Amino acid sequence: AQSVAQPEDQVNVAEGNPLTVKCTYSVSGNPYLFWYVQYPNRGLQFLLKYITGDNLVKGSYGFEAEFNKSQTSFHLKKPSALVSDSALYFCAVRDKNYGQNFVFGPGTRLSVLP
Amino acid sequence: EAGVTQFPSHSVIEKGQTVTLRCDPISGHDNLYWYRRVMGKEIKFLLHFVKESKQDESGMPNNRFLAERTGGTYSTLKVQPAELEDSGVYFCASSQKLAGVTDTQYFGPGTRLTVL
Repeated sequence: AQSVAQPEDQVNVAEGNPLTVKCTYSVSGNPYLFWYVQYPNRGLQFLLKYITGDNLVKGSYGFEAEFNKSQTSFHLKKPSALVSDSALYFCAVRDKNYGQNFVFGPGTRLSVLP
Repeated sequence: EAGVTQFPSHSVIEKGQTVTLRCDPISGHDNLYWYRRVMGKEIKFLLHFVKESKQDESGMPNNRFLAERTGGTYSTLKVQPAELEDSGVYFCASSQKLAGVTDTQYFGPGTRLTVL
């Protein structure tokens, strides 16, 4: 069975500092990994995805994520955090053995402090 | 291009009543998905339509939930009768015709359902 873990419920970071939101996954086949962000009173917005190829994936709003197969991780990163990055972040995985639906992690709330 | 829209944004009903949620996918997207997030937990898959056909409904919790997508355009999700544990946020997502496991799903803003 597939599963996704986001070990931190809450991440606090000062504006201008680098941020990392952690994600680990478990699938039986090749993972297809996604990050989504939910701003207050908004729907989930797609940030980036890893399908194949380069382990470092660049996405929207200056975010990037690194796929690490040996550690089964897909951590989200940004070199310099903005207050406007404060939101709820979801990691999600798909595995073609289990259809097209996502398995989501529980979410991590990121607070960027001015 | 309009995104995925959902109606209503909020719904408050009493236990035993019926509620119908609506989702309008992005125009031209054949794939439509329903998910829900209950009590701040993980977002869970409910079902997947390809056009008007149910491709996968393995996530539907019980027979109180009925999803339809007549004509392959908008979809409705009816809960009848609603129970307290049905409270949560219901998300709809859509993706393009050639969708596979690598395709990006685009999500709507969600409907927050509260059952009292």
